[in-house]
Amino acid sequence: EPEVTQTPSHQVTQMGQEVILRCVPISNHLYFYWYRQILGQKVEFLVSFYNNEISEKSEIFDDQFSVERPDGSNFTLKIRSTKLEDSAMYFCASSHVTGSQNTEAFFGQGTRLTVV
Amino acid sequence: AQSVTQLDSHVSVSEGTPVLLRCNYSSSYSPSLFWYVQHPNKGLQLLLKYTSAATLVKGINGFEAEFKKSETSFHLTKPSAHMSDAAEYFCVVIDTGRRALTFGSGTRLQVQP
Repeated sequence: EPEVTQTPSHQVTQMGQEVILRCVPISNHLYFYWYRQILGQKVEFLVSFYNNEISEKSEIFDDQFSVERPDGSNFTLKIRSTKLEDSAMYFCASSHVTGSQNTEAFFGQGTRLTVV
Repeated sequence: AQSVTQLDSHVSVSEGTPVLLRCNYSSSYSPSLFWYVQHPNKGLQLLLKYTSAATLVKGINGFEAEFKKSETSFHLTKPSAHMSDAAEYFCVVIDTGRRALTFGSGTRLQVQP
């Protein structure tokens, strides 16, 4: 069964360093997303990406964040200068495009980012 | 603006007894609603979805949910709990025309032997 895969599963980085979280969405999906879940808190939407551009982003997704689809399969989230409060589980997701009907998103296993 | 409220942060049931996880939503338009489950150290898995078809939705692992517009509710139920159902459950809403999912705060389901 097709699935969204994320690498690495766990990343530890020093404050101020840049990190890149990687995702391979399901191959025939066209919408891609990043969400995060700070320990003990809600899952929060960060950004959605369609047709090689950001289609929607939240207030959390500020200038230190960026997303890219560098090739036909990968979808990345870059955090330029990590802060302690960026420590969270980051989930990548993808979904179909089916007209106006909202379809479910399929999530990866997540990358646990720890900023020290 | 869309939002969901999960009324219980923790629910504990005995194995073999019914499960009820409550969710109320707030949405400007006709929403799509989902339940996702997260097992420890695992990703988010879709249990079921409502997208304006039948109001009673059946999902995986024996779960179902009923959309009640008059009560703005989308409660998740299962007739008989199994030990493997122990997990965190998230009610999720998305407004028509949008892509961003809005998650509830989650309900941790504990199943006692």
